[in-house]
Amino acid sequence: SQQGEEDPQALSIQEGENATMNCSYKTSINNLQWYRQNSGRGLVHLILIRSNEREKHSGRLRVTLDTSKKSSSLLITASRAADTASYFCATEFSGGYNKLIFGAGTRLAVHP
Amino acid sequence: NAGVTQTPKFRVLKTGQSMTLLCAQDMNHEYMYWYRQDPGMGLRLIHYSVGEGTTAKGEVPDGYNVSRLKKQNFLLGLESAAPSQTSVYFCASSRGTGEYGYTFGSGTRLTVV
Repeated sequence: SQQGEEDPQALSIQEGENATMNCSYKTSINNLQWYRQNSGRGLVHLILIRSNEREKHSGRLRVTLDTSKKSSSLLITASRAADTASYFCATEFSGGYNKLIFGAGTRLAVHP
Repeated sequence: NAGVTQTPKFRVLKTGQSMTLLCAQDMNHEYMYWYRQDPGMGLRLIHYSVGEGTTAKGEVPDGYNVSRLKKQNFLLGLESAAPSQTSVYFCASSRGTGEYGYTFGSGTRLTVV
């Protein structure tokens, strides 16, 4: 399977703290994407990082990509209770149509 | 500004029954996808389409069929539902390869009894 794998499976922090989630994958990729899913809802696209990029920022989100280690991390700074959700990484692997393979996700709980 | 709309939102089927899930997008996206999500697992790709009239198999296509007769619609069919197909089904669409994220629908919760 080309599936990305997130670590940890679950994360519990206090408001204001930073949250870091990691993703590992198996094969060469075109890009890696992070999505958020609130309970009972669809997924929302957060950020896309291409294989030739090493770091990307969007608001309180910072994503890094290390293609030599086949890994990525998502950092959420100054977390809020509203950040409570599941976060998924998804990889578009090289050589094929645009289809994303998702990991099992990290469940983040941010406590007030 | 609807994005991706899935119907129905909930459905209960008896084993052996058939049904069709409808996905509609109003963003003129070329690519459309069907995923299923089971507890504790990520999304698994069932079928996808890279344009009107095209379909292709994903990771878990068995027991499902799809059609993309119009660019804006992507239908997922279950010919003979089985309890193993109890899941939440998500449709998504995308503008293309490599540069764009997916837009997801809100899901269809299907229970097969």
